[in-house]
Amino acid sequence: EIVLTQSPGTLSLSPGEGATLSCRASQSVSSTFLAWYQQKPGQAPRLIIYGASSRATGIPDRFSGSGSGTDFTLTIGRLEPEDFAVYYCQQRFTFGPGTKVDIK
Amino acid sequence: EVQLLESGGGLVQPGGSLRLSCAASGFTISSYVMSWVRQAPGKGLEWVSAIGSSGGSTYYADSVKDRFSISRDNSKNTLYLEINSLRVEDTAVYYCAKPRVGGTATGNFDYWGQGTLVTVSS
Repeated sequence: EIVLTQSPGTLSLSPGEGATLSCRASQSVSSTFLAWYQQKPGQAPRLIIYGASSRATGIPDRFSGSGSGTDFTLTIGRLEPEDFAVYYCQQRFTFGPGTKVDIK
Repeated sequence: EVQLLESGGGLVQPGGSLRLSCAASGFTISSYVMSWVRQAPGKGLEWVSAIGSSGGSTYYADSVKDRFSISRDNSKNTLYLEINSLRVEDTAVYYCAKPRVGGTATGNFDYWGQGTLVTVSS
């Protein structure tokens, strides 16, 4: 069973700063199945990145994904107020515990 | 336009049962490996179950195996989740989710419903 670990648990940043979120798998996984989601309070998750590095429809280019094997990264170039949320990585049917990006 | 609309949640006593529904529009559910994902209050996302696009193969998380049953009615384009022997720890918002690509179990859910809340309490 693959386990996903996300770090940090919380990231406190100011608007305009960049964010780097990590997702580590307990064993090598296919990049095809690696996705990132954004979730705001009271809302369903929203697909941000699929296939480890492809942006989903309508996602601004300040969001980028990278990585392979066991280590994956979601980078947010310059945080906009609407980007403060919880971010989850997913490998097929396994979700990571999430990283909360909150306002410093 | 793709839409997923869940229903059927509510308050149920431990040991009870519910049937959740997810009415889909804008696409054909039989072409996709559809999933249910749940989120306990204040917690993260947990994949619960999926049903294959052809032949109706079913998949379950260990935490719900033997208690939950996923099915679909292609004529109604509707996904179901029968949940039995409910436990307090099953309390959660239950979402149905559509993968971005049909035919394969990739995850990568590009559409989600708004969720339906199941509360298990005496």
